Amino acid sequence: SQQGEEDPQALSIQEGENATMNCSYKTSINNLQWYRQNSGRGLVHLILIRSNEREKHSGRLRVTLDTSKKSSSLLITASRAADTASYFCATGQMDSNYQLIWGAGTKLIIKP
Amino acid sequence: DTGVSQDPRHKITKRGQNVTFRCDPISEHNRLYWYRQTLGQGPEFLTYFQNEAQLEKSRLLSDRFSAERPKGSFSTLEIQRTEQGDSAMYLCASSPQRDTQYFGPGTRLTVL
Repeated sequence: SQQGEEDPQALSIQEGENATMNCSYKTSINNLQWYRQNSGRGLVHLILIRSNEREKHSGRLRVTLDTSKKSSSLLITASRAADTASYFCATGQMDSNYQLIWGAGTKLIIKP
Repeated sequence: DTGVSQDPRHKITKRGQNVTFRCDPISEHNRLYWYRQTLGQGPEFLTYFQNEAQLEKSRLLSDRFSAERPKGSFSTLEIQRTEQGDSAMYLCASSPQRDTQYFGPGTRLTVL
């Protein structure tokens, strides 16, 4: 079953603008991860934030986590056409050593 | 490190036929996962192996589905008596520990 819900479902912005995607979840988590998927391809891991962390950066990516609200956001700064993809959040469960629970994703389109 | 590989990349079969997919994880990754993904959705967990032991199966994995990981290396996922509802992308991932998962390119199954 899917527990993450990404918002918005789709986002279209101009190249150079910032893109923000949100993820909400339902249960207690050990960590939250963001992945990117180009059309018809496999998923690529972007960044992981643990439940005791509030913010993490990786290059042009910034992730925040609010465990009290059970939500996370992914910010991509200075977007590029190559950032066009679907972005998924996945939560590592507290009561599981292996299972990631995934959202339905946000489809991001960067217009040149 | 050649990444996770999956074979075949595409499979078209007729309803009622059996199909088998193969996944070769990153060497020395003892954890291996199978997911199913349909269009516009996030991956759905199917099953998990730690070394050769299958530790968890989703209720999505009906009796027609079976997975193996002999010797804790490559894994196979077999679907017997395929149905049109089995049409999806089947993703394999591996990881050295609990957190980040590394995905293969997927096998796209079309059941006619």
